[in-house]
Amino acid sequence: RKEVEQDPGPFNVPEGATVAFNCTYSNSASQSFFWYRQDCRKEPKLLMSVYSSGNEDGRFTAQLNRASQYISLLIRDSKLSDSATYLCVVLTGANNLFFGTGTRLTVIP
Amino acid sequence: NAGVTQTPKFQVLKTGQSMTLQCAQDMNHEYMSWYRQDPGMGLRLIHYSVGAGITDQGEVPNGYNVSRSTTEDFPLRLLSAAPSQTSVYFCASSYSRAGVGEQYFGPGTRLTVT
Repeated sequence: RKEVEQDPGPFNVPEGATVAFNCTYSNSASQSFFWYRQDCRKEPKLLMSVYSSGNEDGRFTAQLNRASQYISLLIRDSKLSDSATYLCVVLTGANNLFFGTGTRLTVIP
Repeated sequence: NAGVTQTPKFQVLKTGQSMTLQCAQDMNHEYMSWYRQDPGMGLRLIHYSVGAGITDQGEVPNGYNVSRSTTEDFPLRLLSAAPSQTSVYFCASSYSRAGVGEQYFGPGTRLTVT
């Protein structure tokens, strides 16, 4: 079983739409969670950390559900510039950082 | 700051050749790592370093060596290239091991082994 699983998409949404991605992780001892963004043929960049109480950064909201072992990312009022692949990342132990395969989002004009 | 830099951007090798992928960071980060990214798979950790002189293996270390003689540099050496090592390689750094989840990535090296 993979450590981190994501729906690969693609998600095609119109500008201004709200879109949500989920990610599940297999190890209940995982302690830290992150969302990264990766543009086509570019390096991943940290989008946001995910806190137990949930957190928001502008149009982006991240939630963590430890009981069900999933993390979500909600994007409101989608922009064309949000088109990218979103990687779910889970830290287990001191150094075991596991990356999901990513969910591809395309925002359509 | 230049952040994390990698050279070369692209490389084609023949099976059996060796080469070194260069990585440098100018943020005085303690923690540095190498990943490979293959289609349909998440980034996988090859090797990492928690400081100058200290390196350790990640998930997929076979066929690769690393060294960390300075805080800034963390080269990855392919000993004898194989087609299975065709991939995109990313170097990353974070301030410390405690902050390993918040990494800065270099632009990547696209390697093809024929």
